[in-house]
Amino acid sequence: DAKTTQPPSMDCAEGRAANLPCNHSTISGNEYVYWYRQIHSQGPQYIIHGLKNNETNEMASLIITEDRKSSTLILPHATLRDTAVYYCIGLLAGNNRKLIWGLGTSLAVNP
Amino acid sequence: DAGITQSPRHKVTETGTPVTLRCHQTENHRYMYWYRQDPGHGLRLIHYSYGVKDTDKGEVSDGYSVSRSKTEDFLLTLESATSSQTSVYFCAIRDLNSPLHFGNGTRLTVT
Repeated sequence: DAKTTQPPSMDCAEGRAANLPCNHSTISGNEYVYWYRQIHSQGPQYIIHGLKNNETNEMASLIITEDRKSSTLILPHATLRDTAVYYCIGLLAGNNRKLIWGLGTSLAVNP
Repeated sequence: DAGITQSPRHKVTETGTPVTLRCHQTENHRYMYWYRQDPGHGLRLIHYSYGVKDTDKGEVSDGYSVSRSKTEDFLLTLESATSSQTSVYFCAIRDLNSPLHFGNGTRLTVT
């Protein structure tokens, strides 16, 4: 599974877009990029995942570079409730291999 | 929360006593996982299961055992609890080609 690197913390103003970067230079060709977030004391929550193409759902957008060595999670209009730790991980589809979770990015959305 | 219930939610126990944590799912997912989360370490896999009676060790399995006699239940046992096992424990489930979904955790304190 790919090792991922994320900045330890970021700030964002409420209502603005939050762009969270992730480097995954060792990701293999068939490994998906997954994003999760964890709000204090709760279990991690799935946000979005992608392989090569950019993806969008009701929570966020995921932009993956063409060489797949990095990606950006975009929260288009951040709210105070988006304050959380965001994790980027690599995972093979249909595989129960062990995921390696880093420490993620602690995003603070400020009023 | 994706039909995952962890019990108990909080437990305080003494060193040397046995403890069993339960994860119950209503999604009929094949894969189930136990993680622990500690400050400065992120999520670390303890054990996982890829079917009834099929389990395997994760990266921090020493001192823990698991059992899965039914699809819906995955039990984590600390045979003789130690203070180093004070942690927040998360159960997660997953089916083929689906994301991991987490329960809300069990906070265990070993005194």
